[in-house]
Amino acid sequence: GNSVTQMEGPVTLSEEAFLTINCTYTATGYPSLFWYVQYPGEGLQLLLKATKADDKGSNKGFEATYRKETTSFHLEKGSVQVSDSAVYFCALPPPRGSNYKLTFGKGTLLTVNP
Amino acid sequence: NAGVTQTPKFRVLKTGQSMTLLCAQDMNHEYMYWYRQDPGMGLRLIHYSVGEGTTAKGEVPDGYNVSRLKKQNFLLGLESAAPSQTSVYFCASSYGVPKMPLHFGNGTRLTVT
Repeated sequence: GNSVTQMEGPVTLSEEAFLTINCTYTATGYPSLFWYVQYPGEGLQLLLKATKADDKGSNKGFEATYRKETTSFHLEKGSVQVSDSAVYFCALPPPRGSNYKLTFGKGTLLTVNP
Repeated sequence: NAGVTQTPKFRVLKTGQSMTLLCAQDMNHEYMYWYRQDPGMGLRLIHYSVGEGTTAKGEVPDGYNVSRLKKQNFLLGLESAAPSQTSVYFCASSYGVPKMPLHFGNGTRLTVT
């Protein structure tokens, strides 16, 4: 079945530092890949996505490239801000024709200090 | 545009009490889901629905029931609450198959004493 392995946190950075959160996956075929973000006290919201190999998803200064050779979808940002403090989840849809359970990583807590 | 609305936001129950969590979405989405979020466990799917009048079990359905009588609403019931059900509960919805993004509510924090 599908699985997602996500870098465990917590991650603590200073403002303007470079961020990488690793995500690797196991799946049949080449599914779409997602990053969700959860700000304190809120539900998850879609941050970015990529629908096929070599696609780069981007939003709010974050980027992630769908790499089929390494089955990875690492999240990066060149210069983080305090407002980026949140929990980040990598996610994978179910195989075609199976149940409707989206597979989430365990989440990585990011804290950015001023 | 309200999106996905969950009520209540907070609730404290005593062991054995019952309650219903309400989720409402105004996006005409077919698919709706209930998750629980616990420290170190990530998100776990409790039940889901692929359309009005349908429900199905997720990975942790025991102790919960659900109903989807109207397309826009998805109710999660706890018939006899237990301390192990202390958690943050999230409802989500999506337009099509789950490769479409999920839209989440802001959660219900439930404490069972």
